[in-house]
Amino acid sequence: LAKTTQPISMDSYEGQEVNITCSHNNIATNDYITWYQQFPSQGPRFIIQGYKTKVTNEVASLFIPADRKSSTLSLPRVSLSDTAVYYCLVVIFSGGYNKLIFGAGTRLAVHP
Amino acid sequence: AAGVIQSPRHLIKEKRETATLKCYPIPRHDTVYWYQQGPGQDPQFLISFYEKMQSDKGSIPDRFSAQQFSDYHSELNMSSLELGDSALYFCASSFWLAGGKNTGELFFGEGSRLTVL
Repeated sequence: LAKTTQPISMDSYEGQEVNITCSHNNIATNDYITWYQQFPSQGPRFIIQGYKTKVTNEVASLFIPADRKSSTLSLPRVSLSDTAVYYCLVVIFSGGYNKLIFGAGTRLAVHP
Repeated sequence: AAGVIQSPRHLIKEKRETATLKCYPIPRHDTVYWYQQGPGQDPQFLISFYEKMQSDKGSIPDRFSAQQFSDYHSELNMSSLELGDSALYFCASSFWLAGGKNTGELFFGEGSRLTVL
């Protein structure tokens, strides 16, 4: 099981770009990297997923270097509503279903 | 769009009582997951079901059991409740594209908050 390590907390200001880096040194060949966002008392919400290089969607970008031992979630121009916990997960595909093991996420606080 | 429905949203029980949580996945989703999240903690994987069969087991206590029914809804049964069982219980669902790659996207419900007094 690939263990992930990410900062416990980060602070930012409205309008800034936020980059959260996650390390996953023992990621397996078939594993994907996935990021989730969670607001207090709500279920986690999928943000983005990637295998290698760069993936971009309407809310974030995900950068994964060639060795795949780390990944960086980039949130452009954050707002107060981006204050949440962000989880980096390695998705293990096993027998036809996903297995998501949450580690310690990064608590992002966005200030005015 | 339809989301994952969990019931009840809030539940208060006494120690040693039993509780049942229900989860209705998004239509056509064939996989259901249960997670437990204690106060200030990260979600812990309990158990999952794929096509009505248990597919994986995490840190689920022996006092807990779960199943997925023919209509794909799932129930988490908790007996001999302890104070430490007080938590938010999330259900999530996903689907597997036959012959293709699945995504890592699990769709989570809003959770059921269990308080054990």
